[in-house]
Amino acid sequence: GDSVTQMEGPVTLSEEAFLTINCTYTATGYPSLFWYVQYPGEGLQLLLKATKADDKGSNKGFEATYRKETTSFHLEKGSVQVSDSAVYFCALTFYNQGGKLIFGQGTELSVKP
Amino acid sequence: EAEVAQSPRYKITEKSQAVAFWCDPISGHATLYWYRQILGQGPELLVQFQDESVVDDSQLPKDRFSAERLKGVDSTLKIQPAELGDSAMYLCASSPELGQRAYEQYFGPGTRLTVT
Repeated sequence: GDSVTQMEGPVTLSEEAFLTINCTYTATGYPSLFWYVQYPGEGLQLLLKATKADDKGSNKGFEATYRKETTSFHLEKGSVQVSDSAVYFCALTFYNQGGKLIFGQGTELSVKP
Repeated sequence: EAEVAQSPRYKITEKSQAVAFWCDPISGHATLYWYRQILGQGPELLVQFQDESVVDDSQLPKDRFSAERLKGVDSTLKIQPAELGDSAMYLCASSPELGQRAYEQYFGPGTRLTVT
């Protein structure tokens, strides 16, 4: 079945460091891809999305490019802040199948001052 | 900005008791989702509604879980009887059906259930 795999955490970085969180997917067809963020004690928030190959989603300094050839959607940020500490989830969906999200297991990011 | 509301935020119940969670989606959102998130894992869909109709409940343990959205607005998820393995965060999400943000899901804060 369709699935999403993320790099294991926790990831610990110093403030202003470069961030990469790897995400790969397995799917029959071409899904839409998302990154969601979950801050402590809160629900999930959509961070960015890409709906077709080579699309780049971006928001709040975060970027991810939909790579069909490597079935990947890696999340990057050039300079992380303490406020970016959260759990990040990669997810996919097929809109013609009702739009349910299939999530990866999440990657916890901790940014130290 | 409109938000998805859920209550209660926290619930502690004993094994074999009944428990219910409530969700009020963003006004006008036709699609409503219930997800279960076990600690350290990503959310998994339990049930999806389009208006008042169930469109996907393939992962809902129907022997103990039930869900309804009677007027196509708010929704209730019930567990009876609760088991220790049901301890998790229960997330509700809603999405519009049309427009530029069609199918983008907006999540509520969740209900953290602990079964003792």
